[in-house]
Amino acid sequence: NAGVTQTPKFQVLKTGQSMTLQCAQDMNHNSMYWYRQDPGMGLRLIYYSASEGTTDKGEVPNGYNVSRLNKREFSLRLESAAPSQTSVYFCASTRVWDRDGYTFGSGTRLTVV
Amino acid sequence: AQSVTQLGSHVSVSEGALVLLRCNYSSSVPPYLFWYVQYPNQGLQLLLKYTSAATLVKGINGFEAEFKKSETSFHLTKPSAHMSDAAEYFCAVSPYTGTASKLTFGTGTRLQVTL
Repeated sequence: NAGVTQTPKFQVLKTGQSMTLQCAQDMNHNSMYWYRQDPGMGLRLIYYSASEGTTDKGEVPNGYNVSRLNKREFSLRLESAAPSQTSVYFCASTRVWDRDGYTFGSGTRLTVV
Repeated sequence: AQSVTQLGSHVSVSEGALVLLRCNYSSSVPPYLFWYVQYPNQGLQLLLKYTSAATLVKGINGFEAEFKKSETSFHLTKPSAHMSDAAEYFCAVSPYTGTASKLTFGTGTRLQVTL
């Protein structure tokens, strides 16, 4: 009964380093999403994947890339980390339509120094 | 395009008092509306949702919200606050398009409950 699993939970990067945030869901959901959460700004959509094999940009995609590896897994990559990417990152998934509501992972807290 | 405005970034109530968290939305098509709760260092949990059925929606932990189209509002209420309700609450909107679209979140309201 894991739901949405994100790894790692915490990460510190130096400016210019790269890393991949992993997300996996075990609910047979079709759509998956990556959000970032910053104080006073709520959650902002970075990228999403409506179904396996498709990805689309959200509100704040610059500096990020994604891969929908299969139906279960959706990864977020930072190619060259910048201090502005210090944030809490959440992965979410939903069955098909948003009326089901999203199931969220517990987040990855990323600090770029 | 859709958007959500949450009035009040911080709300403080006494234990046992009414909780009222305000949310107004903007959507060019009939919306789906959601309230999520986030406890410290955790992800978001769905509290309740409006998906064009009953306008008064009941959720978990005694919370409810009423969809008022004329006021474009979806305020969250609870008759009696409990200490365990202290958390951050997010309102979100999604347009009904029949296909996977995207939730747009408000900036959140932090609820403090005092003795």
